[in-house]
Amino acid sequence: EAQVTQNPRYLITVTGKKLTVTCSQNMNHEYMSWYRQDPGLGLRQIYYSMNVEVTDKGDVPEGYKVSRKEKRNFPLILESPSPNQTSLYFCASSLSTAMTTEAFFGQGTRLTVV
Amino acid sequence: AQSVTQLDSHVSVSEGTPVLLRCNYSSSYSPSLFWYVQHPNKGLQLLLKYTSAATLVKGINGFEAEFKKSETSFHLTKPSAHMSDAAEYFCVVTRLVLTGGGNKLTFGTGTQLKVEL
Repeated sequence: EAQVTQNPRYLITVTGKKLTVTCSQNMNHEYMSWYRQDPGLGLRQIYYSMNVEVTDKGDVPEGYKVSRKEKRNFPLILESPSPNQTSLYFCASSLSTAMTTEAFFGQGTRLTVV
Repeated sequence: AQSVTQLDSHVSVSEGTPVLLRCNYSSSYSPSLFWYVQHPNKGLQLLLKYTSAATLVKGINGFEAEFKKSETSFHLTKPSAHMSDAAEYFCVVTRLVLTGGGNKLTFGTGTQLKVEL
């Protein structure tokens, strides 16, 4: 089954403790991205990757890192999480960067930083 | 620059009555527009997309949307609501990234649809 898989689904952590949220897709997609969803703000892009070893900042990249060592994986790293990073995070992938291409989303990771 | 405005944060309808979720966009280029649905504790699923072919776009689960360039709108409709339609709906416009290539999705703030018996 074609899918984007995120782990964990739920995470509670303390301020400053490094964490990684994994994302994997099995569709051989070139393009992957991370979003955060906050009430009343919709989804905002954090980082994106157009291919292996090619990543770039989205609209809200501060406090986050990513890597793309393999085509299928695109982990999101919070080196020193803070409470303002409490949010619902989504990983997405698409076949290409063409404007008409559909994005496929993971089921989300709800992160709470205390 | 591109942007999208969803005019209602909450919409409530009775089962069997029509659904209208409103979306207006702003785009410097000919846009691609999408509607995604998010059911509770689920990821986002594509309902339909407009890509400059037919202006009336049919999607899954009986939803459709009409692209109206003169009104810069892309409203989502369904003739008869079902309880299973209760979810959050996002209107999305793609925007070109002129430096670095690729495109980005710009999301509206979402419309929560409630369906009552």
